[in-house]
Amino acid sequence: DAKTTQPNSMESNEEEPVHLPCNHSTISGTDYIHWYRQLPSQGPEYVIHGLTSNVNNRMASLAIAEDRKSSTLILHRATLRDAAVYYCILSLSNTGNQFYFGTGTSLTVIP
Amino acid sequence: DTGVSQDPRHKITKRGQNVTFRCDPISEHNRLYWYRQTLGQGPEFLTYFQNEAQLEKSRLLSDRFSAERPKGSFSTLEIQRTEQGDSAMYLCASSLLVRGGTEAFFGQGTRLTVV
Repeated sequence: DAKTTQPNSMESNEEEPVHLPCNHSTISGTDYIHWYRQLPSQGPEYVIHGLTSNVNNRMASLAIAEDRKSSTLILHRATLRDAAVYYCILSLSNTGNQFYFGTGTSLTVIP
Repeated sequence: DTGVSQDPRHKITKRGQNVTFRCDPISEHNRLYWYRQTLGQGPEFLTYFQNEAQLEKSRLLSDRFSAERPKGSFSTLEIQRTEQGDSAMYLCASSLLVRGGTEAFFGQGTRLTVV
């Protein structure tokens, strides 16, 4: 199972952009990069996923390095509701969503 | 359809008892997953179904655990002879299998406490 490495914790000021890094140096050519977040006492929530190109959606942007060995989740304006644990996960496209979560990055948003 | 629902939300049981959890996925989703999460850790994959077929089981899923999805709709996860180490949040997720993957929708989980 391909592994990802994330910082244990990060802080951001409210309404500032947040860049959450993820290293996945053993990624294979068919691995998709997924990001989920988990608020306290909730199940994980999908944020974004991509393969090679940068991706944008209403929640965030995903910037993928050219060699695909790292990626960055970008929250454009952090709100208090964005305080959560963010998981960067790799999965094969043809194996669906059997994710191997790590411990993620705990994001604190400071008012 | 408001999402993935799990029942019960909380379960306290005595060691050695059997427990069963239920998951109702989003209706058109063909894939259903079970995860377990202990405090301070990320969720751990247990097993998944495509329609009614159980396609993969993690080595974390001991012989005391069994999961079913009899008609490709709801699923049950049973733990026999519970142990204190089984105390955890049990999460269910569902997704629609398409090329390139789609988002998985998670339920709010069933919190099991074994005393």
